[in-house]
Amino acid sequence: DSGVTQTPKHLITATGQRVTLRCSPRSGDLSVYWYQQSLDQGLQFLIQYYNGEERAKGNILERFSAQQFPDLHSELNLSSLELGDSALYFCASSVGGALKETQYFGPGTRLLVL
Amino acid sequence: AQTVTQSQPEMSVQEAETVTLSCTYDTSENNYYLFWYKQPPSRQMILVIRQEAYKQQNATENRFSVNFQKAAKSFSLKISDSQLGDTAMYFCAFMSNNNNDMRFGAGTRLTVKP
Repeated sequence: DSGVTQTPKHLITATGQRVTLRCSPRSGDLSVYWYQQSLDQGLQFLIQYYNGEERAKGNILERFSAQQFPDLHSELNLSSLELGDSALYFCASSVGGALKETQYFGPGTRLLVL
Repeated sequence: AQTVTQSQPEMSVQEAETVTLSCTYDTSENNYYLFWYKQPPSRQMILVIRQEAYKQQNATENRFSVNFQKAAKSFSLKISDSQLGDTAMYFCAFMSNNNNDMRFGAGTRLTVKP
């Protein structure tokens, strides 16, 4: 158990809909990262937040957005969902803000868009 | 852009034997970080080992060690005394010290046979 929690574990929705994925980092960690793992694209880094501020951005679509709240939990919002958005979405956390730091991954949220 | 290549989609090894997973990467950077992550059937991502490019000494974590060849841009993972619990997907990852992105290889599915 990494100490990172993600909810929900599974999510089934329809195309065009909007969903919110939630992540709670390990106690004491200030950074939260979001990743997408799909059959087509493999594992991709989406975005990083550090202490409430966006720190780094990867291959995140404009339809997707994220934020980190004062209690350091983070939410990833996915809108106008398409079939291709079906994937496993991971959250990870680390103590500091440098991407080179060891990241601890959560169990993931499996999203299925029908 | 940096790319990471894992040329072995699948590998198998007998329990207690040694196996080496290959990873090559392409970058023009001099300072960067390399990681091996393990993804067991539970789908959670677990950090196995990390290597800083500026360190010549190969990283070691218990039964896991790397062979880092900077000039050849190669970063292989050796698993000694393989155990059934090592059965998983293994992802090689690259992170530059300059840009804010993390790149993953396509993964190698390792099966440890009893």
